[in-house]
Order: sequence, then structure tokens, then C-alpha cells
Amino acid sequence: GNSVTQMEGPVTLSEEAFLTINCTYTATGYPSLFWYVQYPGEGLQLLLKATKADDKGSNKGFEATYRKETTSFHLEKGSVQVSDSAVYFCALISGAGSYQLTFGKGTKLSVIP
Amino acid sequence: NAGVTQTPKFQVLKTGQSMTLQCAQDMNHEYMSWYRQDPGMGLRLIHYSVGAGITDQGEVPNGYNVSRSTTEDFPLRLLSAAPSQTSVYFCAGGNYGYTFGSGTRLTVV
Repeated sequence: GNSVTQMEGPVTLSEEAFLTINCTYTATGYPSLFWYVQYPGEGLQLLLKATKADDKGSNKGFEATYRKETTSFHLEKGSVQVSDSAVYFCALISGAGSYQLTFGKGTKLSVIP
Repeated sequence: NAGVTQTPKFQVLKTGQSMTLQCAQDMNHEYMSWYRQDPGMGLRLIHYSVGAGITDQGEVPNGYNVSRSTTEDFPLRLLSAAPSQTSVYFCAGGNYGYTFGSGTRLTVV
């Protein structure tokens, strides 16, 4: 079956620090990979995605590269801001004709001034 | 363009009561789904639909029913609420980059 493993949080960083949130996956077939962000009290928002090996998804200064050889999709940002404080979820869709997202458990990020 | 709209935002039920969580989308997407979010568990798929008249079970379907009579609407019904169904429920729609609603926080006492 499909599964996603994220680094456990919470993660606390100072403003302007470098962020990495690790994500590895197990999937049948060739998955599409996603990062979602959830701000306090809100629903999930798609942050970025990648659909094939070596693709780099990017948005709002965040990046993640689809690494098939290491089955990873780590999220990075060069300089975090207080407004980036949120919960980040790694997710995948895999299987022919599948629309079902499989989520990791989420990583809470707190950025302090 | 509201995307995905969920109602209500908050609900308290007594054990054994039934209720329907509403979800509507204005994106004309075929795929819609319901997830529940629990601390330390991430999001788990309850039911999903790939079009009007077509629904299927996800990872945790017990105690929930769905129907899809139109493309726009995908309600989730709790048949007989239990404390284990206390959770935050999210509806999502789309195609490879889903739009999520803002959630319904349900407490069963």
C-alpha cells in the first residue's frame, strides 16, 4: 500500500532561518507528490506539487524536488518568516486512475521573531 | 468563486443523534472526497466520489454515509453519532491539486 512518512515536529525556527522538512514515501506505481499547508483554524491549501522524477515544485519561496532514487520529497525554504508558521503535510496520489490522497501526519512549524 | 464550501463550521451532537455535513463546490470537478483530521493521525479518507451517482469507501468509512446526486454537492451523513467521531471534517474537490473546504469541527458528547 501507499504511505508517507514525515519528520516529527514540532519544529521551531528563528525568522530568516533555513527550513527543511523531510518526507519519504512508499507507493505502488509512479506517484504524484504534494505539499499542503494548514494555517491555524483553516483548511488545507496546496503549496506545491511534482508529478515526475526530478521535477521541482515551487511556490512562495518553498521548494521540493521529486527524488525517485531516494523516494523523497523534502520541503525547503531559504529564509522563513513568522507568517510561515503552520502545519505542513506531505501527500501522494498513486495507482492507475486513482484520485486518493495519502497524507503524512503533518509537521508543525513555529517561526519566532 | 468560493471553491469548496462546508457547513456548519461547528457542531455539537449527543451520542446517537444523526446529522448531515454539507459540502458544495463551484469548480465543476468530478472528484470530491471527505477526510477527517485527528491529532497525531494526519488526514484519513472517509468516502469519495468520482462523479454524480458514483461513491466509494475510503480508509475509515464506518458510521458514515454519502451520496452524490449532483456534481456540486457531496453531503456526509453521520447515522448515529459516537464520541469516536469527534473530529475535524474536511471536504475536498478537484483534480491533482485539491481544494479543501475550511472544515467542520464536530464534537460528540
